[in-house]
Amino acid sequence: QKEVEQDPGPLSVPEGAIVSLNCTYSNSAFQYFMWYRQYSRKGPELLMYTYSSGNKEDGRFTAQVDKSSKYISLFIRDSQPSDSATYLCAMSQGAQKLVFGQGTRLTINP
Amino acid sequence: DAGVIQSPRHEVTEMGQEVTLRCKPISGHDYLFWYRQTMMRGLELLIYFNNNVPIDDSGMPEDRFSAKMPNASFSTLKIQPSEPRDSAVYFCASSAGLRPNTIYFGEGSWLTVV
Repeated sequence: QKEVEQDPGPLSVPEGAIVSLNCTYSNSAFQYFMWYRQYSRKGPELLMYTYSSGNKEDGRFTAQVDKSSKYISLFIRDSQPSDSATYLCAMSQGAQKLVFGQGTRLTINP
Repeated sequence: DAGVIQSPRHEVTEMGQEVTLRCKPISGHDYLFWYRQTMMRGLELLIYFNNNVPIDDSGMPEDRFSAKMPNASFSTLKIQPSEPRDSAVYFCASSAGLRPNTIYFGEGSWLTVV
């Protein structure tokens, strides 16, 4: 079993829809939780960062961490075609060794 | 700042050849990471440096892989000899201190070994 599980998709939704992306993990020592966005043929870029449990909101994006369930989520409201990308969850125990999910490929259809 | 700069962006090489990938981290960043991304295994940490010193190379797949950081502005990842299963995208990333929200990735080096 992988330390971090993420459904690779692909996921296709119409423009304006609410998107929900999720990851589960097995290592209860993880404290840092991140979501990265990766456009085709580009490097990952940090989208959201959360330390420990709780919610964090940034514009149309909301990240949730539920440590009791070992489950993290990313919600995208009012999705746009420019949100089409692969979304990777990542987490770590210490700040330096990130463990990534497989990534979910998301397409927003105009 | 120009961000993390990697070269070459694309490389096609024959099995058995030596491959050298290069990385220039963001100025002032004291951590440098090398990752590999494949369809099967996703994004995996190979090795990371702190202040030019290798700290953890437990992700390096085998002895054919080596990495160096001779100074704060340059690092190399070398594969010798290369094999088809090394075909992947290799990313370099750097960060300022042990804060995961300061990790920035380069655009990657796309390696194909035929």
